[in-house]
Amino acid sequence: GAVVSQHPSWVICKSGTSVKIECRSLDFQATTMFWYRQFPKQSLMLMATSNEGSKATYEQGVEKDKFLINHASLTLSTLTVTSAHPEDSSFYICSARGPGLARDEQFFGPGTRLTVL
Amino acid sequence: DQQVKQNSPSLSVQEGRISILNCDYTNSMFDYFLWYKKYPAEGPTFLISISSIKDKNEDGRFTVFLNKSAKHLSLHIVPSQPGDSAVYFCAASAAGGGADGLTFGKGTHLIIQP
Repeated sequence: GAVVSQHPSWVICKSGTSVKIECRSLDFQATTMFWYRQFPKQSLMLMATSNEGSKATYEQGVEKDKFLINHASLTLSTLTVTSAHPEDSSFYICSARGPGLARDEQFFGPGTRLTVL
Repeated sequence: DQQVKQNSPSLSVQEGRISILNCDYTNSMFDYFLWYKKYPAEGPTFLISISSIKDKNEDGRFTVFLNKSAKHLSLHIVPSQPGDSAVYFCAASAAGGGADGLTFGKGTHLIIQP
């Protein structure tokens, strides 16, 4: 399968600061990337869908001004958690799909563990 | 409201036996279902999928069954192997709504005992 990487794999930050998480498709062009969040013992929750070159579509209840998503190239999407607070501490996972791929060809990154102090 | 439910947080199965993981859904718009396997500190990896026009899909040791009338699907792994120990997520998507973001269940931790 295709490879999706995330950086950093874990990050600890102070409350009020901003954190940027990168998601890269290493061997294919990702026209669509998804951002998920997983709290302990909970399911992965879709936060937003981003298509290359256009604005992200956010799921209900996800603040677009707090979780800034940029998908400026076919291999890179970034999620910036602005003014992070302890309740934003979670496991953030991205996934990516390329053009013309089947619906099951959505490849996940390894995730980023964010801890806000 | 949890649209995809995996009611068993964990399941323990003896090596060589069949593992059956269950998943229920409530959204009748879902038309595509997937199973993912996840190890700690890694992203989910795709296992097998099924379209709502089918009731069974098989790939090696893995078979997924779909019962649309009951809004229920199950993943069968036979024979179970130690490497199958992981968390298994059931996921679903609805066509026509965009780019197929997935709705996940909470996962079932499968433990294969030697």
